[in-house]
Amino acid sequence: AQSVSQHNHHVILSEAASLELGCNYSYGGTVNLFWYVQYPGQHLQLLLKYFSGDPLVKGIKGFEAEFIKSKFSFNLRKPSVQWSDTAEYFCAVNAPPVTGGGNKLTFGTGTQLKVEL
Amino acid sequence: DGGITQSPKYLFRKEGQNVTLSCEQNLNHDAMYWYRQDPGQGLRLIYYSQIVNDFQKGDIAEGYSVSREKKESFPLTVTSAQKNPTAFYLCASNPGQENGYTFGSGTRLTVV
Repeated sequence: AQSVSQHNHHVILSEAASLELGCNYSYGGTVNLFWYVQYPGQHLQLLLKYFSGDPLVKGIKGFEAEFIKSKFSFNLRKPSVQWSDTAEYFCAVNAPPVTGGGNKLTFGTGTQLKVEL
Repeated sequence: DGGITQSPKYLFRKEGQNVTLSCEQNLNHDAMYWYRQDPGQGLRLIYYSQIVNDFQKGDIAEGYSVSREKKESFPLTVTSAQKNPTAFYLCASNPGQENGYTFGSGTRLTVV
């Protein structure tokens, strides 16, 4: 079964600080990887996704993530955070049916990011 | 506009009553999912359906039931057997391809 770990549950940063949120997954086969963001009172929104190719993926709002297969990791980064980045961030993994997965999206427990002015 | 509609947005029920949460999509997606979101626990999969008339249990299916009689609809019933039903429930769909999941705006269920 696939699982996802996010080790930082709460992160507080000042504006302009750099951000890195950790995400590790456990699944031996090929996976698709996602980061979602949930701003206060809003829908889950897709930040970025990795399916194949360049392991450094760029998403919306200046976010990027790097897939390191050997470490089963997909950490989220942003060089300079803004107050408006305050939100909850979720890493998720999907094992596609073609690789024997159930096409289920499994989420981590989330990281609550607070950016202070 | 295509998307997922969950209704109602807020739902209150008395303990011991079954309640059904609606999820409708007009995206022509084959797969649909129900998640439960609790603070500090992320999103946990309740049930999912890859195709009409078929569904599978997710990680926390106990106390819940679903049906998938139509492609567009995947209602979730929270039964009286669910011990902690108060939560935020999210429905999602996926076309079965790489391009990912669309989420509804959720239903917040409070059982008193």
